[in-house]
Amino acid sequence: AQSVTQLGSHVSVSEGALVLLRCNYSSSVPPYLFWYVQYPNQGLQLLLKYTTGATLVKGINGFEAEFKKSETSFHLTKPSAHMSDAAEYFCAVWGGRFGAGTRLTVKP
Amino acid sequence: NAGVTQTPKFQVLKTGQSMTLQCAQDMNHEYMSWYRQDPGMGLRLIHYSVGAGITDQGEVPNGYNVSRSTTEDFPLRLLSAAPSQTSVYFCASSRGTRAPNTEAFFGQGTRLTVV
Repeated sequence: AQSVTQLGSHVSVSEGALVLLRCNYSSSVPPYLFWYVQYPNQGLQLLLKYTTGATLVKGINGFEAEFKKSETSFHLTKPSAHMSDAAEYFCAVWGGRFGAGTRLTVKP
Repeated sequence: NAGVTQTPKFQVLKTGQSMTLQCAQDMNHEYMSWYRQDPGMGLRLIHYSVGAGITDQGEVPNGYNVSRSTTEDFPLRLLSAAPSQTSVYFCASSRGTRAPNTEAFFGQGTRLTVV
């Protein structure tokens, strides 16, 4: 089974709309979870991470994610999309295992 | 603080040629890894190292070699380039498995085309 599954390879939202990017992980991996963002022609950079403690994690640029153990999910959200959020987003788990990525498009 | 530095940024090879992609980090990280990124497939782990002198295979190691003679450097060698190795390659480093809650730091990538 895949360690990390991202639902939807491409998500398109209007500027100002809610962003929801889905990530499910295998319950067999330690619950160290990460979201990375990749802007065009750049490397990946950390958005946020869950290790222990509070299950709602806040990251940079207004993003947040909630760790739900019962659902083995770690979905990424942002209340209001901005044009600059257009990028590819990767969910990852401990051990360097990445999901396939979700490309976010923001329409004006 | 340079972080993770990859060279070159772009490379075109002919089938059968060999080359080395360079990766260096200045954060004294134990763990270093190489990924390839292909459309729709995310990042796939090629090789990784948990410290100087120790390397291991990842998900897609065939056609690639690595070595780790120092903590700072982790070069990736393509032995005989094939068109299937056309991809974007990323090097990453992190504090390692003794600190699983820490994130990876990535280089800017090398875009390789094999013709």
